[in-house]
Amino acid sequence: EPEVTQTPSHQVTQMGQEVILRCVPISNHLYFYWYRQILGQKVEFLVSFYNNEISEKSEIFDDQFSVERPDGSNFTLKIRSTKLEDSAMYFCASSEETPVGEQYFGPGTRLTVT
Amino acid sequence: KNQVEQSPQSLIILEGKNCTLQCNYTVSPFSNLRWYKQDTGRGPVSLTIMTFSENTKSNGRYTATLDADTKQSSLHITASQLSDSASYICVVSENSWGKLQFGAGTQVVVTP
Repeated sequence: EPEVTQTPSHQVTQMGQEVILRCVPISNHLYFYWYRQILGQKVEFLVSFYNNEISEKSEIFDDQFSVERPDGSNFTLKIRSTKLEDSAMYFCASSEETPVGEQYFGPGTRLTVT
Repeated sequence: KNQVEQSPQSLIILEGKNCTLQCNYTVSPFSNLRWYKQDTGRGPVSLTIMTFSENTKSNGRYTATLDADTKQSSLHITASQLSDSASYICVVSENSWGKLQFGAGTQVVVTP
């Protein structure tokens, strides 16, 4: 069964460094998302992406964050200058034809900022 | 402010027993309501999706109900199994772009 994959599974970085989290959505999906979950807290929406542009973003998704679909398969989240409070699990998700349909989540990347 | 509130925060049930989880939401506009299962350290996995016109939806031993008038939903787990131990999250989609509002989840522990 097709699934969303994410790499790396765990990333440790120093405060102020740039990180890129990678996701490979399910191949025929058109809508892509990033969410984050700080340890012990609920999942929070970051951004949705369709047709090579951001369709919606939350107040969390400030200028430090950017997303890109550099080729036909990868979807990336870049954090330019990481802060301690960026430490969280980051989930990528994708959906097929309509964004109100099923969203399939990847296993997540645990980002630890020291 | 759009909110999704879940109760109880956690519960412990014996294997084979049933349980019901509750969700109240104030999200508006409302597109659909979903229940997800999340194992520790893993991504959420969808159990059910309901639009405002649907009252109930089942997926195996999981049955979700929705009352769009009172903005309440429930998830019933029948004949629980050890593998049902997980966090169950109520999620409301607030618009056509799929932006999801997550509840904090109910942590279910099934004991032998």
